[in-house]
Amino acid sequence: GENVEQHPSTLSVQEGDSAVIKCTYSDSASNYFPWYKQELGKRPQLIIDIRSNVGEKKDQRIAVTLNKTAKHFSLHITETQPEDSAVYFCAATSTSGTYKYIFGTGTRLKVLA
Amino acid sequence: AAGVIQSPRHLIKEKRETATLKCYPIPRHDTVYWYQQGPGQDPQFLISFYEKMQSDKGSIPDRFSAQQFSDYHSELNMSSLELGDSALYFCASSLGQGQFFGPGTRLTVL
Repeated sequence: GENVEQHPSTLSVQEGDSAVIKCTYSDSASNYFPWYKQELGKRPQLIIDIRSNVGEKKDQRIAVTLNKTAKHFSLHITETQPEDSAVYFCAATSTSGTYKYIFGTGTRLKVLA
Repeated sequence: AAGVIQSPRHLIKEKRETATLKCYPIPRHDTVYWYQQGPGQDPQFLISFYEKMQSDKGSIPDRFSAQQFSDYHSELNMSSLELGDSALYFCASSLGQGQFFGPGTRLTVL
């Protein structure tokens, strides 16, 4: 069935360094890939997304890249800050039914001051 | 800007009881999604509604049902609650592909 793999499961970086989180999806027909940031006990918040007709998208310190051939997409956070510490989820939309999300298993990012 | 509203925010129930969770989507959003998130897990899709009709179904137990009303709010009804139903339940709404999540309802089953 549809599946999204995400790694690493945990990531610790020093403040100011970059962080990269990678996801792989299985459904080649998926065409929309959002990234969510979730702090403990709070709602997932959309931080950036990319559509399948684009290879890269950037928003200030956050960027996402997509390789459709390899079915990979990645989140890049530069100049990390302690407030970037959270769990990050990637997702791919299923093309069956509505745009339901298939989430990755999450990456717990810790930015060390 | 208006966000997705969920109520209640916290709910404590006993085993075998019933629970009703409510979701009020962002105005003019046409699709509502329900997700269940266990501790340390990713959100799991339960069910969705497009223009008040069920549009997709995921890993929703038969003990659960949901509907969307004429004012677009949605309710998730959960019966014969089990300990394993303890989780955060998120509602999300969208107009297109980007989904916006509500604050969630934390359900604890004792």
